[in-house]
Amino acid sequence: SQQGEEDPQALSIQEGENATMNCSYKTSINNLQWYRQNSGRGLVHLILIRSNEREKHSGRLRVTLDTSKKSSSLLITASRAADTASYFCATSGSARQLTFGSGTQLTVLP
Amino acid sequence: NAGVTQTPKFQVLKTGQSMTLQCAQDMNHNSMYWYRQDPGMGLRLIYYSASEGTTDKGEVPNGYNVSRLNKREFSLRLESAAPSQTSVYFCASSRGVPSYEQYFGPGTRLTVT
Repeated sequence: SQQGEEDPQALSIQEGENATMNCSYKTSINNLQWYRQNSGRGLVHLILIRSNEREKHSGRLRVTLDTSKKSSSLLITASRAADTASYFCATSGSARQLTFGSGTQLTVLP
Repeated sequence: NAGVTQTPKFQVLKTGQSMTLQCAQDMNHNSMYWYRQDPGMGLRLIYYSASEGTTDKGEVPNGYNVSRLNKREFSLRLESAAPSQTSVYFCASSRGVPSYEQYFGPGTRLTVT
């Protein structure tokens, strides 16, 4: 079973625009992580936000976490064609496993 | 540093054949994982090894076995392949379980006919 569910499933934007994707989860967590996967490649870790944090930044990425709503969002600002990829959230809770969502496919058009 | 390496990159098996997927990491990580990814889905955990000498089942362990050969290497074995095991398999490693970021290999694309 998958803990996190991303929304939307697919997103298409123009280069330079901002992209926002959301993740909802069901049970309490220790942290939530976002990963990127380029076509045909392995996943790459982007950012980790702990359950006691509300917002975190890394370069053009901004992640928010609302534990009361059990949701997180990933904002990519000033998107580039190279940001085209699938983005996954993954939650870490009481189980000794990281549970991944089904991903958002982002396409950035030049 | 090579990070996480996997062999082979591609494999085609006939139903009933066996094979072993190899994974190695050079980051001195304690924990290693095997996932499968099916089209349009996220990753599902098959088995993991929290530390050298231990292995545990994940979400979808049926039809697979694993061996943590040493701290660097973690292999996944399909004893009798089935078409339902057609998938892309990813190995990953991390400093520990489960909260640390994971580092992924490039994947093995397996087709079972």
